[in-house]
Amino acid sequence: GQQVMQIPQYQHVQEGEDFTTYCNSSTTLSNIQWYKQRPGGHPVFLIQLVKSGEVKKQKRLTFQFGEAKKNSSLHITATQTTDVGTYFCRIQGAQKLVFGQGTRLTINP
Amino acid sequence: DAGVIQSPRHEVTEMGQEVTLRCKPISGHDYLFWYRQTMMRGLELLIYFNNNVPIDDSGMPEDRFSAKMPNASFSTLKIQPSEPRDSAVYFCASSFGTASTFGSGTRLTVV
Repeated sequence: GQQVMQIPQYQHVQEGEDFTTYCNSSTTLSNIQWYKQRPGGHPVFLIQLVKSGEVKKQKRLTFQFGEAKKNSSLHITATQTTDVGTYFCRIQGAQKLVFGQGTRLTINP
Repeated sequence: DAGVIQSPRHEVTEMGQEVTLRCKPISGHDYLFWYRQTMMRGLELLIYFNNNVPIDDSGMPEDRFSAKMPNASFSTLKIQPSEPRDSAVYFCASSFGTASTFGSGTRLTVV
């Protein structure tokens, strides 16, 4: 079945440092979405990537979709305490919608 | 727009009892999703509807779980009978096009 691996599971950084989370799929994807969930909150949609090699930016966040459409990354430049939370990818393959296990980001101010 | 509305916010029930979770999607959204979130298993898609029709229910754990969407503005997820391992946060989400908007979730505890 459709599988996705998201790494790392946890990341602790000093405020101001960069952060990256990766999603890797076993199959070619139709698209990939990224969500952020604050502690005690619900997932909030960040972005969707559809095209091979696509790169999108939202302020300090950079999202990439691999050329083979099997992997993606979310990079945060110069983290701030407001970036704390868990970042999930959601993949859509031929049959299924699957969330990655998430990367929990904590930040030392 | 009030967003996706779920009720109740918290539910504590005894093992064996029936539990019904409710969701009101955003008006105009044509997709509705039910998810379950636990520490062990993360976010799992249980079922989703398109225009009130169930499209994929392969994530529903077993026959104790059922979901309905009688109209475009209302959906229920029912667990009967409930078991302690059903304890989780259940999210409803709706979408039109790309982005899914999640509700605040129902935290279910089965004792």
